[in-house]
Amino acid sequence: EAGVTQSPTHLIKTRGQQATLRCSPISGHTSVYWYQQALGLGLQFLLWYDEGEERNRGNFPPRFSGRQFPNYSSELNVNALELEDSALYLCASSPRGLAKNIQYFGAGTRLSVL
Amino acid sequence: DQQVKQNSPSLSVQEGRISILNCDYTNSMFDYFLWYKKYPAEGPTFLISISSIKDKNEDGRFTVFLNKSAKHLSLHIVPSQPGDSAVYFCAAVDRGSTLGRLYFGRGTQLTVWP
Repeated sequence: EAGVTQSPTHLIKTRGQQATLRCSPISGHTSVYWYQQALGLGLQFLLWYDEGEERNRGNFPPRFSGRQFPNYSSELNVNALELEDSALYLCASSPRGLAKNIQYFGAGTRLSVL
Repeated sequence: DQQVKQNSPSLSVQEGRISILNCDYTNSMFDYFLWYKKYPAEGPTFLISISSIKDKNEDGRFTVFLNKSAKHLSLHIVPSQPGDSAVYFCAAVDRGSTLGRLYFGRGTQLTVWP
């Protein structure tokens, strides 16, 4: 069974540009979560999508946005990139029901803003 | 606000010995706790979890202990192996919440030397 897949693996952008990160959840999982891991910090919650709807967002500015498609894959968009947006962006997915709190992670997209 | 804290950024243990990784939390609503392991260039991998109705959960070489009164949990690895060298993240969730998110600590880098 394929795990959570993220693309691209690495992304290099300059300040002010936009970045688009993609995530495909494990088959059968309906929820997708996005986290940011900046250097030296833990995973900071960004967004949660379930059944195509945004269910919750963390303490990030509105230039961080995303969506979930009918096939449950997801995109994270970061507009007007700033240097401090450089980080590892991790996507996770989870099933429904009792197991929903175990989130399964992809390998991440390393975003570098120059 | 750091609701989950891992106060030791690193731990070094000899192969065959016990590794003890600690985690503290502040939110009394947390009722489910997870440990993830992360190798470089990979996403976090779920390791073991514990519900607040238990004080111990065991899976092979890995045991998690929960002390609710102290708001403290620990992960014991016995015996430690060089392949256990990784960053370990503690995470917590309030399962009654509709927010969906996990709260992570900043991680502890475990190094197991031969």
